Amino acid sequence: NAGVTQTPKFRILKIGQSMTLQCTQDMNHNYMYWYRQDPGMGLKLIYYSVGAGITDKGEVPNGYNVSRSTTEDFPLRLELAAPSQTSVYFCASRAGRDKNIQYFGAGTRLSVL
Amino acid sequence: EDQVTQSPEALRLQEGESSSLNCSYTVSGLRGLFWYRQDPGKGPEFLFTLYSAGEEKEKERLKATLTKKESFLHITAPKPEDSATYLCAVQGLQGAQKLVFGQGTRLTINP
Repeated sequence: NAGVTQTPKFRILKIGQSMTLQCTQDMNHNYMYWYRQDPGMGLKLIYYSVGAGITDKGEVPNGYNVSRSTTEDFPLRLELAAPSQTSVYFCASRAGRDKNIQYFGAGTRLSVL
Repeated sequence: EDQVTQSPEALRLQEGESSSLNCSYTVSGLRGLFWYRQDPGKGPEFLFTLYSAGEEKEKERLKATLTKKESFLHITAPKPEDSATYLCAVQGLQGAQKLVFGQGTRLTINP
């Protein structure tokens, strides 16, 4: 059972480039989340989804986009990368309304230079 | 707005030296308080969920407790393998789909 899988593990982007961070889960969870974690800081919610076709903004959504076409996948898109988006990105999932535990992937470390 | 503050930011202990980590929170109505462990270069790993004041949960050398304003993570006779960052998060009634995280406590246990 793989759980939550994120790719790539590391990436370096130039300012203005675009990329998609991939996240897939094999637990048939309805809820999925994207967080960013800056050094010495906790996790900040970027976007989340309560099911296929439904997404909503979190605390820090500017500069990012998401889509949820299937239950398994929840990609995060950076359109015009900026140095402020240098961070570690975590994807998480949880089963549903009364199942509150979120399970995290291993993260994607992104540097924008 | 739900908020979580953890203290201290960093804690260094000798092996076997017991201590506690603090998580203070303000929330519209508590649906759950969560403790996670995060090792360097990895994603957070779930430890405990607490739902109401007075509740306690234990796992090996860790015990989590909850009051109406704060939670403590007590570590008894720690070992070097307990070194990690410990994250606290709350789920409020108004933002029930989401967790609000504190900044974490970086715990180092010296042999």
